[in-house]
Amino acid sequence: GAVVSQHPSWVICKSGTSVKIECRSLDFQATTMFWYRQFPKQSLMLMATSNEGSKATYEQGVEKDKFLINHASLTLSTLTVTSAHPEDSSFYICSATASGRTDTQYFGPGTRLTVL
Amino acid sequence: RKEVEQDPGPFNVPEGATVAFNCTYSNSASQSFFWYRQDCRKEPKLLMSVYSSGNEDGRFTAQLNRASQYISLLIRDSKLSDSATYLCVVRGTSGTYKYIFGTGTRLKVLA
Repeated sequence: GAVVSQHPSWVICKSGTSVKIECRSLDFQATTMFWYRQFPKQSLMLMATSNEGSKATYEQGVEKDKFLINHASLTLSTLTVTSAHPEDSSFYICSATASGRTDTQYFGPGTRLTVL
Repeated sequence: RKEVEQDPGPFNVPEGATVAFNCTYSNSASQSFFWYRQDCRKEPKLLMSVYSSGNEDGRFTAQLNRASQYISLLIRDSKLSDSATYLCVVRGTSGTYKYIFGTGTRLKVLA
């Protein structure tokens, strides 16, 4: 149980385009989803916290207009990187917590974004 | 000062060795503590939660020292498959479920 999927697993795009990444909880309802970014040889950095039906809470230094987060249902959150640039190339990972089990985050397999 | 600090390593140890990692955290009100394992280009996977009384899972032992604000992980009888990055994770204070990750400690177990 508690499986989280992400799609796509990797994407290569041209500079200036927008990329959407989906995060789904497959067998549970995710009250909260988190989006992280990890650069090479660095740890995971939380970008934003997303609650179903409400606006995401962004961490300091993360541009909300550049990283659009939508959490329209209890099983799906999307992250859209708008006007992507090479410096946005990174490993994006989502996680989700289940209702009544907020202490445990279940991680998706990650999406590797390369912006040319 | 970083909220969660770890020695980045790498720790290179022979098979069968015992190795210990430490992690310190800055917020004394932190609620929960975990060790995650991350393989190259993969997502983190929960290795074990860390409880105040200390806990063991097979070859892995985790300890928490709240007074000194550090967490440790001991791996006995290291296997080649233990080679990975070990992430210390601290959950935020009450009312938030945010995880704060350390930078990770790289372990290489050598044949």
